[in-house]
Amino acid sequence: DSGVTQTPKHLITATGQRVTLRCSPRSGDLSVYWYQQSLDQGLQFLIQYYNGEERAKGNILERFSAQQFPDLHSELNLSSLELGDSALYFCASSGMGQGWAKTQYFGPGTRLLVL
Amino acid sequence: ELKVEQNPLFLSMQEGKNYTIYCNYSTTSDRLYWYRQDPGKSLESLFVLLSNGAVKQEGRLMASLDTKARLSTLHITAAVHDLSATYFCAVDGWAEGGSEKLVFGKGTKLTVNP
Repeated sequence: DSGVTQTPKHLITATGQRVTLRCSPRSGDLSVYWYQQSLDQGLQFLIQYYNGEERAKGNILERFSAQQFPDLHSELNLSSLELGDSALYFCASSGMGQGWAKTQYFGPGTRLLVL
Repeated sequence: ELKVEQNPLFLSMQEGKNYTIYCNYSTTSDRLYWYRQDPGKSLESLFVLLSNGAVKQEGRLMASLDTKARLSTLHITAAVHDLSATYFCAVDGWAEGGSEKLVFGKGTKLTVNP
């Protein structure tokens, strides 16, 4: 158990809908990262937040957005869902700032299926 | 743009045998990570390699880093079935905005057969 929690574990929805994925980082970790894992694209970095502020962006679509709240939990919002958005979405957290080795600890993931 | 390549992508081996997974990356980086993922599960951190020549061992797995060659290896000794999983290497790169991000290889799916 990494200490990172994600809800829900599974999500089934329809095209065009909007969903919110939730992540609570390990106690004390300030950085939260979101990843998408699919068979064709592999593991793709989406976005990072550090202590409430957006720190880095990866291959995140404009239909997707995220935020980190004062209690450090984070939410990933996916809107206008398409079939191709079906994937496993991971949240990870780490404790160190830039310049340090910062192992990312991954949550159990949310499996999203868009029908 | 940082690219991370692993090979092989699929590896089927017999119990008791040794094998090595390779991870090459395209730009300078001093930090490399190895993760393990079981089917349908999350990623578990195995090793963090922080400098040239770093070697770390845990059980039957040993990881090493050569920053000059931009190469890391994950060596499996006397494989057992429990090692069957997908292994990812990841390297620190740069994201939009100038901050760092992890770039993952495609993973090596290891199957250890009795």
